[in-house]
Amino acid sequence: GAGVSQSPRYKVAKRGQDVALRCDPISGHVSLFWYQQALGQGPEFLTYFQNEAQLDKSGLPSDRFFAERPEGSVSTLKIQRTQQEDSAVYLCASSIRQDTGELFFGEGSRLTVL
Amino acid sequence: DQQVKQNSPSLSVQEGRISILNCDYTNSMFDYFLWYKKYPAEGPTFLISISSIKDKNEDGRFTVFLNKSAKHLSLHIVPSQPGDSAVYFCAASGGGSNYKLTFGKGTLLTVNP
Repeated sequence: GAGVSQSPRYKVAKRGQDVALRCDPISGHVSLFWYQQALGQGPEFLTYFQNEAQLDKSGLPSDRFFAERPEGSVSTLKIQRTQQEDSAVYLCASSIRQDTGELFFGEGSRLTVL
Repeated sequence: DQQVKQNSPSLSVQEGRISILNCDYTNSMFDYFLWYKKYPAEGPTFLISISSIKDKNEDGRFTVFLNKSAKHLSLHIVPSQPGDSAVYFCAASGGGSNYKLTFGKGTLLTVNP
């Protein structure tokens, strides 16, 4: 497809489980972002990659959150020992540029932690 | 501390009339502003943007106005159509981290036929 693809679309995890969320950005897009959107809130920045380099991870809530983009295309957001407050929609976005903020978002992965 | 505020959680207008969505920001370092539109179960899609060197940007039925002194921007949709019904997010970037967007909480627009 031509857009940003995320999987799984829905994930239910028991508290304490590890989860991995995948993002396939638009081909050729240099920049990749992860955002977290809690219910009733706007998306909040988690981390930013330029190609395979993670240039900013200041938004990751704790060291249980880890993101990688080893070959500069597909990215994975991993959450270890999930907690109820991790329940949210995790949005991936890509851009051909690193500025202007005109991002192309995926449909998101909705994580529910029980 | 919300740096981008959308104080109206919802707005309802009649088809054909004007929709005005408002957004305020507190960070004077923001220099680029965007509006995103989001349908249920979809990701946000880019709608229109404006740089701080301008005070107006128009794209078809959509116009964004920026008042830097008031730290306020608004999105005008004329004429409104039922397909415009969605959540609209205001976002801003700047201050050296011009790749990082700060979003408001969104405004749900409902356009009634």
